[in-house]
Amino acid sequence: QKEVEQNSGPLSVPEGAIASLNCTYSDRGSQSFFWYRQYSGKSPELIMSIYSNGDKEDGRFTAQLNKASQYVSLLIRDSQPSDSATYLCAHPSGGSYIPTFGRGTSLIVHP
Amino acid sequence: GAGVSQSPSNKVTEKGKDVELRCDPISGHTALYWYRQSLGQGLEFLIYFQGNSAPDKSGLPSDRFSAERTGGSVSTLTIQRTQQEDSAVYLCASSLTSGREDTQYFGPGTRLTVL
Repeated sequence: QKEVEQNSGPLSVPEGAIASLNCTYSDRGSQSFFWYRQYSGKSPELIMSIYSNGDKEDGRFTAQLNKASQYVSLLIRDSQPSDSATYLCAHPSGGSYIPTFGRGTSLIVHP
Repeated sequence: GAGVSQSPSNKVTEKGKDVELRCDPISGHTALYWYRQSLGQGLEFLIYFQGNSAPDKSGLPSDRFSAERTGGSVSTLTIQRTQQEDSAVYLCASSLTSGREDTQYFGPGTRLTVL
């Protein structure tokens, strides 16, 4: 069974710190990975996508992909209270175009 | 332009009743997905439409669930004889195509409560 695993948290970090969110997956054939942010009571919104090994940076966000170890991570630098949300990892697996989502990691950034 | 819209935003129904949930995708998006999210859970895939192809119904939990997409645009998810375990937020998403790198844009969801 193709799965996406995330620690449910909550991960609590102080304002200004680096938040590190991790996701592991079982499908070695996966080619594309997505990080979504979901505020409480709202729908998910895409914040990062990554398709090749290494790092991809976008503002305060960095996605890291390691296909050999089958994990993808999201780093949030200079964390702000407004970053407090659930972060969902997703990727199409099993030869499908339909993304499989992890259960998400709850991030709390406290002032 | 307008994003994905869903209606109603909230629906309360009695056990055994049928409900219809509507999704209006972003104009020009050929791929449309339905998910549901129970409290504290991840997104559970339900059904996927791509253009005029037959839909992928592999995620539908029972034959009480069905969906259609008319004219390659608006989609309706129907749940017959609702049960309490059907209570969840039903999310619709659309993407330009069904490519592996295509971004999904989610609607605001319909919160379904079955009493």
